[in-house]
Amino acid sequence: TQLLEQSPQFLSIQEGENLTVYCNSSSVFSSLQWYRQEPGEGPVLLVTVVTGGEVKKLKRLTFQFGDARKDSSLHITAAQPGDTGLYLCAGPPPTGNQFYFGTGTSLTVIP
Amino acid sequence: EPEVTQTPSHQVTQMGQEVILRCVPISNHLYFYWYRQILGQKVEFLVSFYNNEISEKSEIFDDQFSVERPDGSNFTLKIRSTKLEDSAMYFCASSVGGARNTEAFFGQGTRLTVV
Repeated sequence: TQLLEQSPQFLSIQEGENLTVYCNSSSVFSSLQWYRQEPGEGPVLLVTVVTGGEVKKLKRLTFQFGDARKDSSLHITAAQPGDTGLYLCAGPPPTGNQFYFGTGTSLTVIP
Repeated sequence: EPEVTQTPSHQVTQMGQEVILRCVPISNHLYFYWYRQILGQKVEFLVSFYNNEISEKSEIFDDQFSVERPDGSNFTLKIRSTKLEDSAMYFCASSVGGARNTEAFFGQGTRLTVV
């Protein structure tokens, strides 16, 4: 059982389409981070959400933290080929000092 | 912009050899982490380090692994006797505060290949 489940696992869309990626847990998280990872590189932090119900925008990316702080979503508007990559959610589990990573969503945007 | 740097970017080693992966965390960060990612798999936590001691480790981080902060800037991961299954990308990360209070920034990784 994964502490953070992401869906879908793979997503392939045409340039210009919109998409939503989900990160779900049965546990409450004090915060969640979203990262983007390209092949052979390290995860790059996109955003951190802390407050239940919080919405943050980063250009065409909209991040939302669920009211109960058990889930989060990432919505991309008008996807571009440069958005291609592995999107990871991560957060501190209920106990311990680490960032637990989700299962990841691999996004491919076709020109 | 400050960043976490890792060296080498790629390390090839023979099975049974010792390897040391090096990291320079962001300078004002106090918490340090090592993660690994086997090709095509998820990012897995290995160990967290604070105040010159391990604060948490996973079951992956067995007796073959050790971490050290030999000076004020470097943070190293040593694998004593590498196995084929240790082949992976290894990422170092650092954060200002603990995981419950801040976010982590990751290095570009070291690709370890054990042959």
